[in-house]
Amino acid sequence: DAGVIQSPRHEVTEMGQEVTLRCKPISGHNSLFWYRQTMMRGLELLIYFNNNVPIDDSGMPEDRFSAKMPNASFSTLKIQPSEPRDSAVYFCASIITSGNEQFFGPGTRLTVL
Amino acid sequence: AQSVTQPDIHITVSEGASLELRCNYSYGATPYLFWYVQSPGQGLQLLLKYFSGDTLVQGIKGFEAEFKRSQSSFNLRKPSVHWSDAAEYFCAVGVPTGGGNKLTFGTGTQLKVEL
Repeated sequence: DAGVIQSPRHEVTEMGQEVTLRCKPISGHNSLFWYRQTMMRGLELLIYFNNNVPIDDSGMPEDRFSAKMPNASFSTLKIQPSEPRDSAVYFCASIITSGNEQFFGPGTRLTVL
Repeated sequence: AQSVTQPDIHITVSEGASLELRCNYSYGATPYLFWYVQSPGQGLQLLLKYFSGDTLVQGIKGFEAEFKRSQSSFNLRKPSVHWSDAAEYFCAVGVPTGGGNKLTFGTGTQLKVEL
């Protein structure tokens, strides 16, 4: 069991660049969540998918953020253009709909200079 | 809307001492409650959860938590802390959705263990 896989683990980019974060959920899990963790705001839910369909994106901070889940085994979170205030740790989590525990990936630490 | 308050940002305890981390929640219905632990540079690991039934729940690593509806609390306890318990602890309330539970987290409590 590989768990939730996120890549890259660390990303350093310059303001204005496009950033793409990737997540592979646990096989068989059909819901996927993207979170952002910052010192100021703690852990925030950005968006979640069920059966590859976005259900609630009310936590996405602005139009610069977008997320996709083209299939059951892959999701991306894209920031374009990136800004220094986007610097944070981004977590992906997955869950089986009939279950109640979200399994978290190790996170991607994003630094926007 | 649901919310979670963890009033203690930092707590320091001596190894072998008992521990209690506080968590208060606000939610209009019966809550689903969780405690997660995050070690430095790691993701979140579930310690325990409460959905219904016995209000005292046991988790991994010797942790337990008690749900008190009258106090809207779900405090985490451990009778004897080990140095490896040093980490950040998050309480969360889960709202059922079509795709599992949508979690709202508290701001976390950083635990330091003195040897």
